[in-house]
Amino acid sequence: GAVVSQHPSWVICKSGTSVKIECRSLDFQATTMFWYRQFPKQSLMLMATSNEGSKATYEQGVEKDKFLINHASLTLSTLTVTSAHPEDSSFYICSASQGAQKTEAFFGQGTRLTVV
Amino acid sequence: AQSVTQLDSQVPVFEEAPVELRCNYSSSVSVYLFWYVQYPNQGLQLLLKYLSGSTLVKGINGFEAEFNKSQTSFHLRKPSVHISDTAEYFCAVISGNTPLVFGKGTRLSVIA
Repeated sequence: GAVVSQHPSWVICKSGTSVKIECRSLDFQATTMFWYRQFPKQSLMLMATSNEGSKATYEQGVEKDKFLINHASLTLSTLTVTSAHPEDSSFYICSASQGAQKTEAFFGQGTRLTVV
Repeated sequence: AQSVTQLDSQVPVFEEAPVELRCNYSSSVSVYLFWYVQYPNQGLQLLLKYLSGSTLVKGINGFEAEFNKSQTSFHLRKPSVHISDTAEYFCAVISGNTPLVFGKGTRLSVIA
């Protein structure tokens, strides 16, 4: 199946700094990418949907200025957590879908962010 | 809004015993249904999906699920589990143009 690579797999940063997480589709073109956040022992909460070349659509309650999403190419989307605080510590997962085929999304391996 | 209910947050089962993980969804329109597995500190891996056709869907690792429209259910089953099946399992649904909506997950613990 299609492969989605997420980098880094884990990161520790100081409070107040910014962190960038990359999501790449390695063997297909992803016109749509999704960013999720997962708290311990909980489900995935959709943060935003990004389409290549356009602004991301954020879910209600997600601060777009805090979680900057860029989808500049068909194989790369980035999530930047700006001015991170300890409460931003979480597991972030991206997924990507091919073309108009929204019936299957391929997931990255996730990024564990710890803000100290 | 679409919702997915996984009735059991935790399911302990002995090795080689059968297991069923339950999932119900809310939408009355046509849906696409999925089961994903998540191992610790990893992303999600697709186990199986129902898009159309046969209501009994077979997936990887010996899992299968049955789509029951009248009961709006998509329960996941395996006739004989292994220690390596210990993981978190998520049921998810797409209806219309909505993105995937996930259930809260079921922690399957296989006991030797």
